[in-house]
Amino acid sequence: KNEVEQSPQNLTAQEGEFITINCSYSVGISALHWLQQHPGGGIVSLFMLSSGKKKHGRLIATINIQEKHSSLHITASHPRDSAVYICAVRPQGAQKLVFGQGTRLTINP
Amino acid sequence: NAGVMQNPRHLVRRRGQEARLRCSPMKGHSHVYWYRQLPEEGLKFMVYLQKENIIDESGMPKERFSAEFPKEGPSILRIQQVVRGDSAAYFCASSQDSSYGYTFGSGTRLTVV
Repeated sequence: KNEVEQSPQNLTAQEGEFITINCSYSVGISALHWLQQHPGGGIVSLFMLSSGKKKHGRLIATINIQEKHSSLHITASHPRDSAVYICAVRPQGAQKLVFGQGTRLTINP
Repeated sequence: NAGVMQNPRHLVRRRGQEARLRCSPMKGHSHVYWYRQLPEEGLKFMVYLQKENIIDESGMPKERFSAEFPKEGPSILRIQQVVRGDSAAYFCASSQDSSYGYTFGSGTRLTVV
């Protein structure tokens, strides 16, 4: 079992829908990151969380440390949101990131 | 501030050749991380370096792979005698220190033919 599990693996939705991507992890962490990767493209850091909730534009990220769970929400989704969204954790005492397998999101117009 | 610069963006090597991948961290960042993304797989940690020091190389294959981050110049990931299984996207990230977020480069896509 991977230390970081994301669900769903693939998600297709219509423009305007509310999107939720989930991430569960099994180790103690110092921080959790949400990343975005477009096909053939680089990786963009969306959020770094250690507690609570953060919001940036139409994106919201939450984390529950006790339940070892985080969610990424996208409101009023748009085709340009189509990308792979990756959850990554920095285990306590470590410097490296451990990644989930990613969620491939497709937003149809 | 140009962000994390990786070059080349694409690299094609024949089996047995050497591949050198370069990463210039963001200005002011002294921590560099290399990650590999194999086709249809997730990202995996390879190595963590600070200036002139390898801090954690637990994700590096024991043979053919090496990394450095000299006092001057970019960090280099070197793969000797490449094989087809080395074909992947190699990403570099940098940070100011571990309590800050990471900035990723655009990656180098290595193809071994």
